Amino acid sequence: DTEVTQTPKHLVMGMTNKKSLKCEQHMGHRAMYWYKQKAKKPPELMFVYSYEKLSINESVPSRFSPECPNSSLLNLHLHALQPEDSALYLCASSQDFRYAEKETQYFGPGTRLLVL
Amino acid sequence: QKEVEQNSGPLSVPEGAIASLNCTYSDRVSQSFFWYRQYSGKSPELIMSIYSNGDKEDGRFTAQLNKASQYVSLLIRDSQPSDSATYLCAVGGFTGGGNKLTFGTGTQLKVEL
Repeated sequence: DTEVTQTPKHLVMGMTNKKSLKCEQHMGHRAMYWYKQKAKKPPELMFVYSYEKLSINESVPSRFSPECPNSSLLNLHLHALQPEDSALYLCASSQDFRYAEKETQYFGPGTRLLVL
Repeated sequence: QKEVEQNSGPLSVPEGAIASLNCTYSDRVSQSFFWYRQYSGKSPELIMSIYSNGDKEDGRFTAQLNKASQYVSLLIRDSQPSDSATYLCAVGGFTGGGNKLTFGTGTQLKVEL
């Protein structure tokens, strides 16, 4: 089973709202990722968690707050977003063994976010 | 800063032809390379990974890697309309936790009947 699930599929929020995106995998992977993808652009890395610790934060604004409660779950908390934050938010996971750079990342279906 | 370059296309090929997608990368020490397919509105799906110089074949897909030229390609034989999608080239990198992928901008492939 190479499935990564994400909820919700679609989200519309106002600039003053607080919402959360959720991601789950049961493949025993120990690295999990958040990406942001705008239309006709490649995915842009936001955060990486390795063994439930934040290992990479690509200078993402603080209105995005990641959380990794356990090895299977990854959340992205959203607060005071701007309309330009509207995008497809993708979660991915990989095994994170010794040669991590050779590992395949498996993507979830994404959450399409619209900020009004 | 790693860079990965692809021709954005669209690349149009007739059904049954060979589609050739190309990618160059800037970091000479890169060791891992991935091709993802992304249909419009969907998430990326892995097609092939390649780590060693030469060819790697999987069904109708062949990935080719030339580290000396810093060049990766993907050949799709007997192209089908269902292959119409954006193909993303990605280069892996280890930064102490996880695999930090650097994506190219993607090549849009259109397979015409």
